[in-house]
Amino acid sequence: GAGVSQSPSNKVTEKGKDVELRCDPISGHTALYWYRQSLGQGLEFLIYFQGNSAPDKSGLPSDRFSAERTGGSVSTLTIQRTQQEDSAVYLCASSLDRVAEAFFGQGTRLTVV
Amino acid sequence: KQEVTQIPAALSVPEGENLVLNCSFTDSAIYNLQWFRQDPGKGLTSLLLIQSSQREQTSGRLNASLDKSSGRSTLYIAASQPGDSATYLCAVRPGVDSSYKLIFGSGTRLLVRP
Repeated sequence: GAGVSQSPSNKVTEKGKDVELRCDPISGHTALYWYRQSLGQGLEFLIYFQGNSAPDKSGLPSDRFSAERTGGSVSTLTIQRTQQEDSAVYLCASSLDRVAEAFFGQGTRLTVV
Repeated sequence: KQEVTQIPAALSVPEGENLVLNCSFTDSAIYNLQWFRQDPGKGLTSLLLIQSSQREQTSGRLNASLDKSSGRSTLYIAASQPGDSATYLCAVRPGVDSSYKLIFGSGTRLLVRP
């Protein structure tokens, strides 16, 4: 596609429910990243994919968070048993390789009520 | 540990003014530096990528400079317009093992008044 696409753009969920956030990177980009931006906070690194592998998952806040990438393309970030502190904007980015220019999607705004 | 700081946190200027946004980083061993803009409620738009071996990059009214040894980058915006109002973020990639990881500053919120 023309850019990085994320869905849904907005998600409201009840505390304790599971949610899945999707990212479609730019075609041909081997590197994919997830970041989180909480209200009034900076961008927090969550996970990095190179192809389908995740060499760095160090930013995932807890074991309720997981992510996968399939076919070297689409990635899904899953949050289990959501908590109110998970409310944030989740941003996905991709780049041609691990050091090339990064392009971000529009983000998914997650609200846990 | 690499830390990125952006000053000022907020800036308000009249339309037409030239302005400079500042970004500093604590570890000069970077691979590259990227400037983004973020409009309210939106994702990040890439503006310029400057490699560690480069001194500057230009795109239209934007010019980014890099002084790696002093740990500084500036984003110069010429002839500012109300449409330039946004938050501007700089991010560095470390020059060693975790070069894939963008480390962000907290941004400068720019308002260009008509």
